[in-house]
Amino acid sequence: KAGVTQTPRYLIKTRGQQVTLSCSPISGHRSVSWYQQTPGQGLQFLFEYFSETQRNKGNFPGRFSGRQFSNSRSEMNVSTLELGDSALYLCASSPTGRNSPLHFGNGTRLTVT
Amino acid sequence: AQKVTQAQTEISVVEKEDVTLDCVYETRDTTYYLFWYKQPPSGELVFLIRRNSFDEQNEISGRYSWNFQKSTSSFNFTITASQVVDSAVYFCALSEARQNQGAQKLVFGQGTRLTINP
Repeated sequence: KAGVTQTPRYLIKTRGQQVTLSCSPISGHRSVSWYQQTPGQGLQFLFEYFSETQRNKGNFPGRFSGRQFSNSRSEMNVSTLELGDSALYLCASSPTGRNSPLHFGNGTRLTVT
Repeated sequence: AQKVTQAQTEISVVEKEDVTLDCVYETRDTTYYLFWYKQPPSGELVFLIRRNSFDEQNEISGRYSWNFQKSTSSFNFTITASQVVDSAVYFCALSEARQNQGAQKLVFGQGTRLTINP
């Protein structure tokens, strides 16, 4: 079974631009979560989707948004990028959420210059 | 608010030594889940164990063991006879049960970087 796939692996953007990151969950998994990892703040929850609906959202500004498609694939978008958005963005999937173990992808490393 | 504290930022030991990674958590919920994840240099987080708040039995899996003590709000992780391949960053995490909503949000500790030297 293929694992969680995130694309691209690396991105370099300029302040003010926007970026879209993609995540393909493990086949059969309907819950997709996104986390941001930075050296200063550690791992922080962004949002969780299940059956195309956002069920939970972390404390991030509205510039961070996401969506989930009918095939459970998910995208997250960050608009008007700031230097502080530089981070490793990790996507995770699970069958239903509900406190089941998360399966993480390798992440997308975003650098904002 | 939920909080997870991993006081040990970095640990370095020689191969074959035993090492314990500490995790202390705070939550007002009576039902919650605790997790440990391993992050190797490749970046992905690898699930190691999940424990719910009603199950205080310790668990052993090969060289890995976990000690859950509700009285001290701790969920410590011990690696016995450590190996170089155990070198990674280890994260402890806490999740509310939220069965009605179903959504899961993990609160992570800051992680402990473990280096096993040959």
